[in-house]
Amino acid sequence: EIVLTQSPGTLSLSPGERAALSCRASESVYDNFLAWYQQKPGQAPRLLIHGASRRAPGVPDRFSGSGSGTDFTLTINRVEPEDFAVYYCQQYGSHPGTFGQGTKVEIK
Amino acid sequence: QLQLQESGPGLIKPSETLSLTCSVSDDSFNSGIYYWGWIRQSPGKGLEWIGTLYYNGRTFYNPSLNSRATISVDTSRNHFSLRLNSVTAADTAVYYCARPKWFGDFPGLTAFDVWGQGAMVTVSS
Repeated sequence: EIVLTQSPGTLSLSPGERAALSCRASESVYDNFLAWYQQKPGQAPRLLIHGASRRAPGVPDRFSGSGSGTDFTLTINRVEPEDFAVYYCQQYGSHPGTFGQGTKVEIK
Repeated sequence: QLQLQESGPGLIKPSETLSLTCSVSDDSFNSGIYYWGWIRQSPGKGLEWIGTLYYNGRTFYNPSLNSRATISVDTSRNHFSLRLNSVTAADTAVYYCARPKWFGDFPGLTAFDVWGQGAMVTVSS
């Protein structure tokens, strides 16, 4: 199975700063079928990005996804207070679908 | 707007069968075209895809579960279910039901756009 490694483990930022979260796959993600989710404490994950770069409906445009093959990035331009959470990547290109271990974005 | 809600026992004993139900709030079943999935989350393993069910009865499961999982649907009751047999402490997790929305090229592979709130299940004697 494809192993997704996210870095950094924790990102400490002030509101208004830019966040860049990395997701690296152990092998190429087929057709860039990669998604990003946001999870806040006590809540279920929320889909932000699918297909590596396509924002899900209702997701603010400060969230953007990029990358291909084995290297993907979620960027949050001008982090808002409500963006402090844990972010997970997921590949759904090869069986079984797998998730990364998460990056926590915390207030500096 | 679609809402999903998991229900089931919060505590089960080792070797027993975990059984959870996901209630679907809208008329997703009426069209005859629907897709449903289960994902779990534990401190040790993080997020783990369990399986996905298609409207035509096809099901896809994570091989790591060693054929212990079964997903089924009851359209008359507007819900779908997960059964996981021969549980151990390693199956302790929050279990989420979810709707597959964005599909990969191979059956059973999806990203999920609507999730239930999650049900905590503890396996302990």
